[in-house]
Amino acid sequence: ELKVEQNPLFLSMQEGKNYTIYCNYSTTSDRLYWYRQDPGKSLESLFVLLSNGAVKQEGRLMASLDTKARLSTLHITAAVHDLSATYFCAVDFTSGTYKYIFGTGTRLKVLA
Amino acid sequence: DGGITQSPKYLFRKEGQNVTLSCEQNLNHDAMYWYRQDPGQGLRLIYYSQIVNDFQKGDIAEGYSVSREKKESFPLTVTSAQKNPTAFYLCASSIDSGTWNTEAFFGQGTRLTVV
Repeated sequence: ELKVEQNPLFLSMQEGKNYTIYCNYSTTSDRLYWYRQDPGKSLESLFVLLSNGAVKQEGRLMASLDTKARLSTLHITAAVHDLSATYFCAVDFTSGTYKYIFGTGTRLKVLA
Repeated sequence: DGGITQSPKYLFRKEGQNVTLSCEQNLNHDAMYWYRQDPGQGLRLIYYSQIVNDFQKGDIAEGYSVSREKKESFPLTVTSAQKNPTAFYLCASSIDSGTWNTEAFFGQGTRLTVV
């Protein structure tokens, strides 16, 4: 079964702190994506990770991919209130078809 | 500007009615997808299509139907057989066969409510 799991599901953190969100997936894939969703809104693409060892950074967010461990991380550095949102990872289980399976999401709340 | 357009933004359905949600893209993407999102939940795949005139069921296809007659369009019909259709529906597209960019882009969503 194709499964993508994120943890934690909920994260409340103080401004200025660091934290990591984890995304594990069940079957071989070398394409992983991170998205952000604000309440009531659609999904906004954050990072595209296309190979083992890929690392991408944008502002206070950094994403990495370890395809051997089937693990991606989204690291938050010195959190600010504007980062409050729900973060999803999605895995592209190709196997001849393009089929994106999303993780459960991590709801992040940054407290001032 | 290139993008994905979903309409309507809000939709109300009476019990027993079929309704159709529109999704159009001008990104020249080959693949298109429909997801359902319930409050506080993740995204679940309803249907996806990789090429025109072909589509596959996702994890929760029962009570839904789609068509892909044109590359740009992938409408979703929520039928009366879908017993709990109230949700936020998201359309996405991906795969630019010219660049093989596989990143998925999303429309703004349709919020469907049964009244």
